[in-house]
Amino acid sequence: AQTVTQSQPEMSVQEAETVTLSCTYDTSESDYYLFWYKQPPSRQMILVIRQEAYKQQNATENRFSVNFQKAAKSFSLKISDSQLGDAAMYFCAYRTGTASKLTFGTGTRLQVTL
Amino acid sequence: EAGVTQSPTHLIKTRGQQATLRCSPISGHTSVYWYQQALGLGLQFLLWYDEGEERNRGNFPPRFSGRQFPNYSSELNVNALELEDSALYLCASSWTGRGNTEAFFGQGTRLTVV
Repeated sequence: AQTVTQSQPEMSVQEAETVTLSCTYDTSESDYYLFWYKQPPSRQMILVIRQEAYKQQNATENRFSVNFQKAAKSFSLKISDSQLGDAAMYFCAYRTGTASKLTFGTGTRLQVTL
Repeated sequence: EAGVTQSPTHLIKTRGQQATLRCSPISGHTSVYWYQQALGLGLQFLLWYDEGEERNRGNFPPRFSGRQFPNYSSELNVNALELEDSALYLCASSWTGRGNTEAFFGQGTRLTVV
């Protein structure tokens, strides 16, 4: 069974600083996709970034980037130049190549301080 | 373009009653996913519907059921409500097909069982 583990229940970062959120996963599949979702207090889940397992290059989206280590089954999210609006729950998620369910980690609550 | 819409926003029920939650996917999306997010926990997969058929089911008792209509909207029914069913229920939709397709989430229905 696929599992996703986020070992940091809470993280804090100062505005304009950089923070890294950790995620590990377990799978025997070769074709899969990894995602980071953000859930602000409004409850709306928003896709932050995605990574295809077959791509060696790490995905980037503006201030957000990932460190994808396939052999280690690690998928961390780096947020650069943190902003107050980045404060939210962040969920790491996994999905196989056949558009099946998303499997989520338990989330990391990110606090951004002045 | 309208996003994923869920109704009602909040629902209060008494233990033993039935609850019906509704979800309208983004136009053109044929897959609908239901997740339960209990307080302090991650998202637990409930059900996946695609093209009117149930494709996958999470580890939940049979009193959790649902269906998908010809217009791809979906309904989640929870029978014989228990106190521990109190949670945020999230619906997501996506195109059918590859696993790299983004799942878009609604804002959820907060179910409270008293």
